[in-house]
Amino acid sequence: DGGITQSPKYLFRKEGQNVTLSCEQNLNHDAMYWYRQDPGQGLRLIYYSQIVNDFQKGDIAEGYSVSREKKESFPLTVTSAQKNPTAFYLCASSKGDRDREFFGPGTRLTVL
Amino acid sequence: KNQVEQSPQSLIILEGKNCTLQCNYTVSPFSNLRWYKQDTGRGPVSLTIMTFSENTKSNGRYTATLDADTKQSSLHITASQLSDSASYICVVITLPGYSNASKIIFGSGTRLSIQP
Repeated sequence: DGGITQSPKYLFRKEGQNVTLSCEQNLNHDAMYWYRQDPGQGLRLIYYSQIVNDFQKGDIAEGYSVSREKKESFPLTVTSAQKNPTAFYLCASSKGDRDREFFGPGTRLTVL
Repeated sequence: KNQVEQSPQSLIILEGKNCTLQCNYTVSPFSNLRWYKQDTGRGPVSLTIMTFSENTKSNGRYTATLDADTKQSSLHITASQLSDSASYICVVITLPGYSNASKIIFGSGTRLSIQP
């Protein structure tokens, strides 16, 4: 059963703590993306990776970090440097950088 | 500046009625335009993808149109159902540049509510 998964669905974190969001895909896609969605706004690109061991900053990368050690995995770490981390985080993957994107179910992060 | 503007921001219609959502963009160089449906608290799901040469594309009761000259797209929903209640997001992808990857520009979406 092919797809893209994110875990956990809901995540609570105390201010000042780092937290890592998981994203896994078994679609054999080369490209993977992390987006942030806030109410009333379009999705904003945090980081993307077009190939293993390589990733690029998106429009709002400050306070976030990623790694791409395996093709199927693209974890996102929200660091304490991110000033307003409470949001809905979406991971996506695509065969190439202009191909159809498949989105995961999202992780809602709340900082207490 | 690359932008994607959607209208209306929100829309309420009765079950069984048709509706049309609008998307205007100022993105260049254009590669393709996509419409996504996003249920509350879920990830977006692709409805249609259109390239420069395509004027219309259908997916069941969803029909998207594209006018590349005026840089406008619309998503028409026929015979709406309660399950159509969702946000509909217009996304425009650019061609890659000499040293840049493609850019993906999201509209802020139209929130559609279908009432029985």
